[in-house]
Amino acid sequence: DAGVIQSPRHEVTEMGQEVTLRCKPISGHNSLFWYRQTMMRGLELLIYFNNNVPIDDSGMPEDRFSAKMPNASFSTLKIQPSEPRDSAVYFCASGGNRAKYFGPGTRLLVL
Amino acid sequence: AQTVTQSQPEMSVQEAETVTLSCTYDTSESDYYLFWYKQPPSRQMILVIRQEAYKQQNATENRFSVNFQKAAKSFSLKISDSQLGDAAMYFCAYRSLNYGGSQGNLIFGKGTKLSVKP
Repeated sequence: DAGVIQSPRHEVTEMGQEVTLRCKPISGHNSLFWYRQTMMRGLELLIYFNNNVPIDDSGMPEDRFSAKMPNASFSTLKIQPSEPRDSAVYFCASGGNRAKYFGPGTRLLVL
Repeated sequence: AQTVTQSQPEMSVQEAETVTLSCTYDTSESDYYLFWYKQPPSRQMILVIRQEAYKQQNATENRFSVNFQKAAKSFSLKISDSQLGDAAMYFCAYRSLNYGGSQGNLIFGKGTKLSVKP
């Protein structure tokens, strides 16, 4: 299995631009998570899907952030408009009952 | 709410020696999972080992083992025969098994940065 796949691996953009992060979970996993990691706040859960349905989006910082999971094999996290404080590493993770497996992350820099 | 505490921001070990990373957690639940994740400089989060709370036997994975003390809510990671490639941030994580809300979410500690000296 290829593991969790995220794209792009690196993204540099200017403030105000739209950013879309993509994730392909491991086949057969029924849960998908988006996390954000910063030095100041560590790892934070942004949103959690179970069977493609958003279960908990209380970690989404504000309305500029949105996430979708149109099918079991694809999810997106969108930031519009982006701001410098959104700069972080964004991880997608998928899991079954016993473990969560993380993608390689997307390193986002908003100038 | 559950919390995870890693009291050692940084640790250092000599190559081939053994090191133990500490983790404590707070919960009122009786059944849950505990994990150790490794994050090398590449930033990839790698699952190292997991422990089901209902199991009394400590989990082991090759050179990695845990000391799970449920009553004390302690979950330490022991790395034996340390190798240069073990240098990384290590995160302890808790996962609830209760349904609803953020069931399945991982609650992470702040991490311990492990350095391995040749």
